[in-house]
Amino acid sequence: GEDVEQSLFLSVREGDSSVINCTYTDSSSTYLYWYKQEPGAGLQLLTYIFSNMDMKQDQRLTVLLNKKDKHLSLRIADTQTGDSAIYFCAESTPSGSARQLTFGSGTQLTVLP
Amino acid sequence: GAVVSQHPSRVICKSGTSVKIECRSLDFQATTMFWYRQFPKKSLMLMATSNEGSKATYEQGVEKDKFLINHASLTLSTLTVTSAHPEDSSFYICSAKPSGRGFGEQFFGPGTRLTVL
Repeated sequence: GEDVEQSLFLSVREGDSSVINCTYTDSSSTYLYWYKQEPGAGLQLLTYIFSNMDMKQDQRLTVLLNKKDKHLSLRIADTQTGDSAIYFCAESTPSGSARQLTFGSGTQLTVLP
Repeated sequence: GAVVSQHPSRVICKSGTSVKIECRSLDFQATTMFWYRQFPKKSLMLMATSNEGSKATYEQGVEKDKFLINHASLTLSTLTVTSAHPEDSSFYICSAKPSGRGFGEQFFGPGTRLTVL
């Protein structure tokens, strides 16, 4: 079955880099995603990576994918207080004739001044 | 663009009553909407996939008679929790996928906090 795991908490100092890690088990995943959830708000898609890519960079965000180890990471450069939120990784997995998103439990990122 | 709203944002009800939650895509059409349940410090659990004009597809372990889903238009899906009990208390989140967009490009609503007394 599908299983996506993340550590629950991460604290960093403002200006430092944050690295949020995620492991998944379904080798048939085609896309892997990172979402951000701020308090009282819905999930916001931050970025995604296709399974045949190793790295994707988008401004302050860098996604690294190690398909052999089924390990995904999200690096946020120059972390700001506004980056404090819960970050979910998710994989797109087959569900019958369709696909569904399987989410990790989320990592609470706290940015300290 | 791509805003999804949910109503109500918070509801408290007595055990045995039914509660309806609305999910609307405000500026796009969504043939597919999804309903998730989020427990504290837990990931989102997909409950069902709602397709406009057809019956919803429920995930294993989700009672279709308890969680009624209606997707009557391209911009509205409703989830009705029937005969709610305290164990149904949770945070319910919907998402909507614009027609023709990739699977991960779901836009999420802000969620509805249900508390059953």
